[in-house]
Amino acid sequence: AQSVTQLDSQVPVFEEAPVELRCNYSSSVSVYLFWYVQYPNQGLQLLLKYLSGSTLVKGINGFEAEFNKSQTSFHLRKPSVHISDTAEYFCAVIPNSGGYQKVTFGTGTKLQVIP
Amino acid sequence: DTAVSQTPKYLVTQMGNDKSIKCEQNLGHDTMYWYKQDSKKFLKIMFSYNNKELIINETVPNRFSPKSPDKAHLNLHINSLELGDSAVYFCASRGPNYGYTFGSGTRLTVV
Repeated sequence: AQSVTQLDSQVPVFEEAPVELRCNYSSSVSVYLFWYVQYPNQGLQLLLKYLSGSTLVKGINGFEAEFNKSQTSFHLRKPSVHISDTAEYFCAVIPNSGGYQKVTFGTGTKLQVIP
Repeated sequence: DTAVSQTPKYLVTQMGNDKSIKCEQNLGHDTMYWYKQDSKKFLKIMFSYNNKELIINETVPNRFSPKSPDKAHLNLHINSLELGDSAVYFCASRGPNYGYTFGSGTRLTVV
């Protein structure tokens, strides 16, 4: 089984400041990793994903994440946030063994950008 | 051109009623899902269908019954609604390279 821990339930940050949202996972098998964003009253939108290759993954809206296998982490970063980045962010994993696997989500981190 | 569309967007109903939520995707994906998001934003998978066949069925009360008439549609029927069923229900489909697309959700309120 897999589990995903997002240690910070809320992260307030001033506009144009950098931000890091932390994600750690636990799994007995290799996994693929994802970050999703959920704007108020909307569904989840994929920000970025790590399937293989370079451990630094670039996504939409200027976000990037780095996969660290030894620390089982996949932290999300943005060098300069905008008001429009205010949203809930979810880290997720899925076993990479193929077939019909279940996605396991973290409990989410609410990013609040302060003007 | 909404990729994954759910109806209705909001649903308010009394305890004991039966209701359905519909989901349609126009992406040509074979696999569709239902997720439940509770008041603390926790997302939990409920069901998954691949080309009309049920492949994932989590520990969900049997009052919840999914139906997939074709691979583009996955509906969720809920019998005898309870207060604890109040949540946001998301439909999703899975494309190549684990590209999941979510609908905008159905906010169910049971009173």
